[in-house]
Amino acid sequence: EIVLTQSPATLSLSPGERATLSCRASQSVGVSLAWYQQKPGQAPRLLIYDASNRATGIPARFSGSGSGTDFSLTISSLDPEDFAFYYCLQRKSWPPTFGGGTNVEIK
Amino acid sequence: EVQLLESGGGLVQPGGSLRLSCGASGFTFNNCPMGWVRQAPGKGLEWVSSINGAGTNTYYSDSVKGRFTISRDNSRNTLFLQMNSLRADDTALYYCAKSRHSNSWYEGEWGQGTLVIVSS
Repeated sequence: EIVLTQSPATLSLSPGERATLSCRASQSVGVSLAWYQQKPGQAPRLLIYDASNRATGIPARFSGSGSGTDFSLTISSLDPEDFAFYYCLQRKSWPPTFGGGTNVEIK
Repeated sequence: EVQLLESGGGLVQPGGSLRLSCGASGFTFNNCPMGWVRQAPGKGLEWVSSINGAGTNTYYSDSVKGRFTISRDNSRNTLFLQMNSLRADDTALYYCAKSRHSNSWYEGEWGQGTLVIVSS
């Protein structure tokens, strides 16, 4: 199965700062990668699919990039509501696999 | 508005069984791949199982293959997960998820989850 490694595990930033999260795959997933946001006590929310496409209703400050094995999620200017856990998911091959997550916390 | 409502979770002894249900509304159910994703307490997300819109193709993680069965009743807009031979490491919040689009497998929308606790 494809292993996704997210880094860093924790990102400590202030509101208004830029956040860059990384997801690296153990083998190529093409662009079959998604990003999810999860806040405490809530279900995950799809942010990005196919590496760079924003899901419906997702603000433009969220952007995704990458292909093959290296992917990034960028939040251009952190809003207080953006402090949460973020997970990547590959859907290139079965079984689909999630990364271990990045916690974006308030500095 | 898409709504996914899971039920059927609870406390069960090791080796026991549970059947989870997910009632869906607000979209054309029989067009959409559906699935289950779980999250152990304080841990990350783990994909469990998926099924296509017609219910003819099913997929399982290695950790549940042979013990869990995913199915759907398109006449009742309901997704199921039959869980047998439960183990302590199956303890988790189980989310029902709808694909983003009928031609996509990405988990697009999620229910609020139902908690399964496997303990003696």
